[in-house]
Amino acid sequence: ETGVTQSPTHLIKTRGQQVTLRCSSQSGHNTVSWYQQALGQGPQFIFQYYREEENGRGNFPPRFSGLQFPNYSSELNVNALELDDSALYLCASSLTWGGRIEQYFGPGTRLTVT
Amino acid sequence: GESVGLHLPTLSVQEGDNSIINCAYSNSASDYFIWYKQESGKGPQFIIDIRSNMDKRQGQRVTVLLNKTVKHLSLQIAATQPGDSAVYFCAENAGGATNKLIFGTGTLLAVQP
Repeated sequence: ETGVTQSPTHLIKTRGQQVTLRCSSQSGHNTVSWYQQALGQGPQFIFQYYREEENGRGNFPPRFSGLQFPNYSSELNVNALELDDSALYLCASSLTWGGRIEQYFGPGTRLTVT
Repeated sequence: GESVGLHLPTLSVQEGDNSIINCAYSNSASDYFIWYKQESGKGPQFIIDIRSNMDKRQGQRVTVLLNKTVKHLSLQIAATQPGDSAVYFCAENAGGATNKLIFGTGTLLAVQP
């Protein structure tokens, strides 16, 4: 176990709705990254938060937004859900040291949009 | 653009044999690479990493080889066990302000008893 937790584990939403996913990072980690993993593919980087600030973003539209809290937990918000948003959403926490960045993943939230 | 790809989408091996999973990357600026194992219904699990100033790194039953000349990465698993059955991803980190990981599409390792 990595110590990274995510909630909920599964979620079903309707197209056009909004969703909030949550992540608690591993103790001592101050950086959280979010990834989207479509079925049969590798995870795709959405964005990263470091000390409550967005620290980089992948090729995702503005309707994907996030927050990081003082305790380093994080939320991913997706507005105006589309069918293609159906995927496993992964949170990874990390602590940068000596130039190596080991990212530890949570179990993910399976989002289904109907 | 940036990409990390795998040569073999599925690898079937006999229990006890050694497994080799290959990966090609295209970003010459990448300086850090990680192998992850993902079992069904779980998030990716860190296996082993390697920096670009190394060409080999060993862990418990696993070895990662890096060939920067041809931009190739491999994961070797010794004495493969049924519990090794999973999808394996290589990921690269191109550095910069954001330590984002770029993943390949994965290789399914199936261990036959």
